[in-house]
Amino acid sequence: GDSVTQMEGPVTLSEEAFLTINCTYTATGYPSLFWYVQYPGEGLQLLLKATKADDKGSNKGFEATYRKETTSFHLEKGSVQVSDSAVYFCALSDRSGGSYIPTFGRGTSLIVHP
Amino acid sequence: DSGVTQTPKHLITATGQRVTLRCSPRSGDLSVYWYQQSLDQGLQFLIQYYNGEERAKGNILERFSAQQFPDLHSELNLSSLELGDSALYFCASSVELSDEQYFGPGTRLTVT
Repeated sequence: GDSVTQMEGPVTLSEEAFLTINCTYTATGYPSLFWYVQYPGEGLQLLLKATKADDKGSNKGFEATYRKETTSFHLEKGSVQVSDSAVYFCALSDRSGGSYIPTFGRGTSLIVHP
Repeated sequence: DSGVTQTPKHLITATGQRVTLRCSPRSGDLSVYWYQQSLDQGLQFLIQYYNGEERAKGNILERFSAQQFPDLHSELNLSSLELGDSALYFCASSVELSDEQYFGPGTRLTVT
């Protein structure tokens, strides 16, 4: 079946540092790819998405590019803030048997220090 | 605020009991998803509904069942509860099956 693999956390950075969270996937179809963020005590929120190869999703300074050749969707931000501290989930939605099955990675915790 | 509502926010119950979790999707969203989030298992997809019909099943136990009603709200029923069922249960909705999902705030279930 489909799967999403994320780098294990926690990732600990100082404010204004560069962030990369790696995400690779396996899928039988041609999935849409997503990054979600979960702040403490809240549900997940969509951060960005990409629906086809070479698409770049971006939002709030975060970006990720859909790389079909490497089956990757790495999340990057040039300068993190303390308020970016949260858990980040990479996910895909793949067509299967007339429906779309969502698959999530295990999440990567990001801690940003002042 | 995602527009997805879940009730109750917290639920404490005993082993062997049955509970019902409720979810109201965003206005206009036809698809509803249920997830279980625990520290050891991460976020597990349970089941998906689209316009009242079950469309996909994930790692949902036989003791668990769900349905989506004509007004599109959904309920997740958990029965014969075990200690290991203690977790956060999230509902999410989307316009179409392949779209991004909007998550509710979750129901925290504690089984004692």
